Amino acid sequence: DAGVTQSPTHLIKTRGQQVTLRCSPKSGHDTVSWYQQALGQGPQFIFQYYEEEERQRGNFPDRFSGHQFPNYSSELNVNALLLGDSALYLCASSLDSPYEQYFGPGTRLTVT
Amino acid sequence: QKEVEQNSGPLSVPEGAIASLNCTYSDRGSQSFFWYRQYSGKSPELIMSIYSNGDKEDGRFTAQLNKASQYVSLLIRDSQPSDSATYLCAVRRETDFQKLVFGTGTRLLVSP
Repeated sequence: DAGVTQSPTHLIKTRGQQVTLRCSPKSGHDTVSWYQQALGQGPQFIFQYYEEEERQRGNFPDRFSGHQFPNYSSELNVNALLLGDSALYLCASSLDSPYEQYFGPGTRLTVT
Repeated sequence: QKEVEQNSGPLSVPEGAIASLNCTYSDRGSQSFFWYRQYSGKSPELIMSIYSNGDKEDGRFTAQLNKASQYVSLLIRDSQPSDSATYLCAVRRETDFQKLVFGTGTRLLVSP
C-alpha cells in the first residue's frame, strides 16, 4: 500500500522565483492538506483540498496557491519567493475530515 | 497564549524508563488529539490519536486525555534509544476542523 509521496525531495530557488511542489495521497484518501514547517517549529497549516476545491486556508498570503486533480493528487505553488519561505513543505492525506492525517516525506525548499 | 503548548525539552530518560510527554491546548472546543513522532530531518509520523477522555493504549504507547483540564499526554513505556525524536502534539478544533494545530514539539532523548 503506497503511502503519501511528494516531489521533489529538495529544491533550491532564488528570491522572486516561483515553485511548484507535488503530492500524491495515500491510496484510498481523497483529502490533501499542505503544511509549512520552519526549523524548530511545528507544522503550520497552509490549506486543504477536497473534491478539487480549497476547503480551508490558514494564515498564508495569496502567493501560496494550490490545486487538486481528479485523481486526488495536489500541487502547491508559491510565487515571488521570499527568504522566509525556506522550510519543509509537508503534504498530508486523509479520508474526508475528521480522520487522521498522514504525512508524506516532505519537500525541503531553500530560497537564496 | 499559544493554542497548543509543549515543553521543548530535551526530556532525557534512561533506556527502559517511562517517558512522559505533555501538551496543553487553549480551545475548549477542541475535538481530536494526535501525537506525531518526528525524527531529525524526516517528516512527522502519526503514532496515536485520541478523541475521548481517558486512556488509550497501543503497544508501548499510552495517550491520556483530560478535556476539563485541556491536557493531553503521551507515555512511552520501556523507552528505547530508537524512541529519541521530537514528539509533536496536534489538536483539531471544532470550529475549523479541517486543520491540525501543532505545538512546537518536545525533544526526547533516550540514553542507553
